[in-house]
Amino acid sequence: AIQMTQSPSSLSASVGDRVTITCRASQGIRNDLGWYQQKPGKAPKLLIYAASSLQSGVPSRFSGSGSGTDFTLTISSLQPEDFATYYCLQDYNYPHTFGGGTKVEIK
Amino acid sequence: EVQLVESGGGLIQPGGSLRLSCAASGFTVSSNYMSWVRQAPGKGLEWVSVIYSGGSTYYADSVKGRFTISRDNSKNTLYLQMNSLRAEDTAVYYCARDHTIFGVVDYYYGMDVWGQGTTVTVSS
Repeated sequence: AIQMTQSPSSLSASVGDRVTITCRASQGIRNDLGWYQQKPGKAPKLLIYAASSLQSGVPSRFSGSGSGTDFTLTISSLQPEDFATYYCLQDYNYPHTFGGGTKVEIK
Repeated sequence: EVQLVESGGGLIQPGGSLRLSCAASGFTVSSNYMSWVRQAPGKGLEWVSVIYSGGSTYYADSVKGRFTISRDNSKNTLYLQMNSLRAEDTAVYYCARDHTIFGVVDYYYGMDVWGQGTTVTVSS
């Protein structure tokens, strides 16, 4: 199975900060990667698909980039509602695999 | 409104069986790829299984041979039959729609609709 290594596992940031989360695949996955946001007690929410395509209704401060093995999720200006845990998910092959998650906390 | 509602979770003894249901509204389950994802207490997300619109199925190694994904087209409902349950299967189980546009080349848009989750606890 493809391993997805996500970093950092947690970070502290302030409202207005630019935040970057990375995900590395153990083998090339083209651009077959999504990013999901999860708040405590809630289901995950799709933010980005195909590495860089913004899901409908998601604010434009979220962006994704990368291809092959290295991917990035960027929040250009962190808002209070963005404090959550973020996961990458490779959908290149089965079994699909998630990264370990990045918890974004308030500084 | 596009919606998924899971049910069927509960407390079950190790070695027991349980069937989870995921009722869809606003779209047709059989026309989509549908997945199950789980989350153990305090842990990250784990992909569990998928069923294609054509009926093909895939499973995580951790559940292969014990879990079976299926659907009832007449009820527009997705299922996960879980047998030989273990303590490590304790988790919140989510169903999700794998949004795919089918054509000359299929295009995958990610898991865009999720249920609220149902809790499975395996314990004696």
